[in-house]
Amino acid sequence: GAGVSQSPSNKVTEKGKDVELRCDPISGHTALYWYRQRLGQGLEFLIYFQGNSAPDKSGLPSDRFSAERTGESVSTLTIQRTQQEDSAVYLCASSPRDRAGNEQFFGPGTRLTVL
Amino acid sequence: AQSVSQHNHHVILSEAASLELGCNYSYGGTVNLFWYVQYPGQHLQLLLKYFSGDPLVKGIKGFEAEFIKSKFSFNLRKPSVQWSDTAEYFCAVKTAGSYIPTFGRGTSLIVHP
Repeated sequence: GAGVSQSPSNKVTEKGKDVELRCDPISGHTALYWYRQRLGQGLEFLIYFQGNSAPDKSGLPSDRFSAERTGESVSTLTIQRTQQEDSAVYLCASSPRDRAGNEQFFGPGTRLTVL
Repeated sequence: AQSVSQHNHHVILSEAASLELGCNYSYGGTVNLFWYVQYPGQHLQLLLKYFSGDPLVKGIKGFEAEFIKSKFSFNLRKPSVQWSDTAEYFCAVKTAGSYIPTFGRGTSLIVHP
């Protein structure tokens, strides 16, 4: 079946503008994660959605970052008033109904460049 | 907060050489352990995982990893690497009761033909 998809694949924006990144998880996957990966760094957790439960926002770096997910469908990550340090690859992953041993299925990422 | 350390950031090998990539974590309780791989131009994908049982886990493409609880380690091994193993490798750890894994910084492996 189809994997996790993300759009756009690349986004170039000017400092101060808002951007919206989209993630379509694998159908039936209740868990959805957003990560940020800066050049040469590991994956930095941003936010976690599990079904209709309240999301875990503990990884969001500032109040400029927010994310939404409707039920078990698509999710959008919004970055307001972008800064140059926001430049990174933003990865989305989904996972089946959560058990600790479940793996994550990753999308291709959105490469964000803030000029 | 727990941490995951991958000590080798860049590894360069010739084909047929043996590989061992280190992964250590800081949490003392029950853990689930993962190795993910990202080939050039591709998505991150699961290489292997440890959930319970036999601490020696075998994954795809001839990779294996051994969970050594006393050493808080989950090192990745392959006896003979190929050029096609050139990729970025990430270790990840989930602690009991958490569904959010912590990832290591990653190891870049280059295999020369």
